[in-house]
Amino acid sequence: DAGVTQSPTHLIKTRGQQVTLRCSPKSGHDTVSWYQQALGQGPQFIFQYYEEEERQRGNFPDRFSGHQFPNYSSELNVNALLLGDSALYLCASTSRGTGDEQYFGPGTRLTVT
Amino acid sequence: AQKITQTQPGMFVQEKEAVTLDCTYDTSDPSYGLFWYKQPSSGEMIFLIYQGSYDQQNATEGRYSLNFQKARKSANLVISASQLGDSAMYFCAMRESPLGYGNKLVFGAGTILRVKS
Repeated sequence: DAGVTQSPTHLIKTRGQQVTLRCSPKSGHDTVSWYQQALGQGPQFIFQYYEEEERQRGNFPDRFSGHQFPNYSSELNVNALLLGDSALYLCASTSRGTGDEQYFGPGTRLTVT
Repeated sequence: AQKITQTQPGMFVQEKEAVTLDCTYDTSDPSYGLFWYKQPSSGEMIFLIYQGSYDQQNATEGRYSLNFQKARKSANLVISASQLGDSAMYFCAMRESPLGYGNKLVFGAGTILRVKS
């Protein structure tokens, strides 16, 4: 049973560039959430997708956008990268019908120079 | 707004001893869920244990147990028989929305646990 997968593992970008991160949820899960974790801090909620629509959004600017595909996989896009966007980006999946399973992927470490 | 507080930035424990990691929460929702995650240096967030607000008994998963005191709004993680591999960052988190309306998690600042041999 495959868990949550994310790609790429590491990424280095330059200020002003755009980046796309990808996530495949755990088998049986239909809801994907994205979190940003700055060094030494707890993860912060970016947004959540269910049925290919953004359902909840945290306090992040419009530079952060996403998409969910019919197979429940998801992408996180960040435009006009800033140095402060350097962080570990975590994807979590769950089933809409339950709230007691929240499994995370290994994360994508983004460095903006 | 919901909030999670972890007051212990770092903890040390001797191998094979038990350790308690503190977590207090604040919410006005009657329905909520509490999670504990382990994050080793590799970065992956590993699910440990879950407690629902209506669960009558404290959750247990192997060496992990959750000491849930609803009136005090605390959800402490107890790790029994600590192992060197338990050294990691530990996060307490709360499912913010009532079931069926979203599963956003709010995290605490974390506690670094170091197990000594």
